[in-house]
Amino acid sequence: AQTVTQSQPEMSVQEAETVTLSCTYDTSESDYYLFWYKQPPSRQMILVIRQEAYKQQNATENRFSVNFQKAAKSFSLKISDSQLGDAAMYFCASQNYNQGGKLIFGQGTELSVKP
Amino acid sequence: GAGVSQSPSNKVTEKGKDVELRCDPISGHTALYWYRQSLGQGLEFLIYFQGNSAPDKSGLPSDRFSAERTGGSVSTLTIQRTQQEDSAVYLCASRSTRDGYSPLHFGNGTRLTVT
Repeated sequence: AQTVTQSQPEMSVQEAETVTLSCTYDTSESDYYLFWYKQPPSRQMILVIRQEAYKQQNATENRFSVNFQKAAKSFSLKISDSQLGDAAMYFCASQNYNQGGKLIFGQGTELSVKP
Repeated sequence: GAGVSQSPSNKVTEKGKDVELRCDPISGHTALYWYRQSLGQGLEFLIYFQGNSAPDKSGLPSDRFSAERTGGSVSTLTIQRTQQEDSAVYLCASRSTRDGYSPLHFGNGTRLTVT
């Protein structure tokens, strides 16, 4: 079975500081994608960053980067220079190549940013 | 261009009544997904459509839940004889293909409250 686990229900960071959100996953497939999504109070799911499992290089998108450890099945998200607008629920998700493209999500981490 | 549209945005219904939730995907998107998000929880996969067919219905929680998609476009999720545990936000998403290179676009969801 494909599972995703986020062990931090809540995290807090000071504005302009750096925070890391943790995620572990389990899959029997060798080919898969991993994602981080952001969900503000509007409920709109926003793709933050994506990683293909076959790529060793960690994905980066501006202030967002990941630490992908394939052997450990770990996929953490680092947010640098945190901004007030980063406050939201963050979800980690995985997608196996051969299962119709459905994403399996973790339970989420609520990130608050203190001014 | 328009994004994924869901209606209604909020629905309050009495226990035992049937409800229909509608999703209008982005035009041309062949893959469509329904998810359920209970309060404070992650997204739970319900069903996936490729065109008008549903190759993966594994997430539907009971036979009270059904979904259809017509013309490769609009999808309707129907919940019969609603129960209080059905209260949740129901999210719809679509993508142009089922692989991970194609971004998943989410609607803003329908918040269902069963009284």
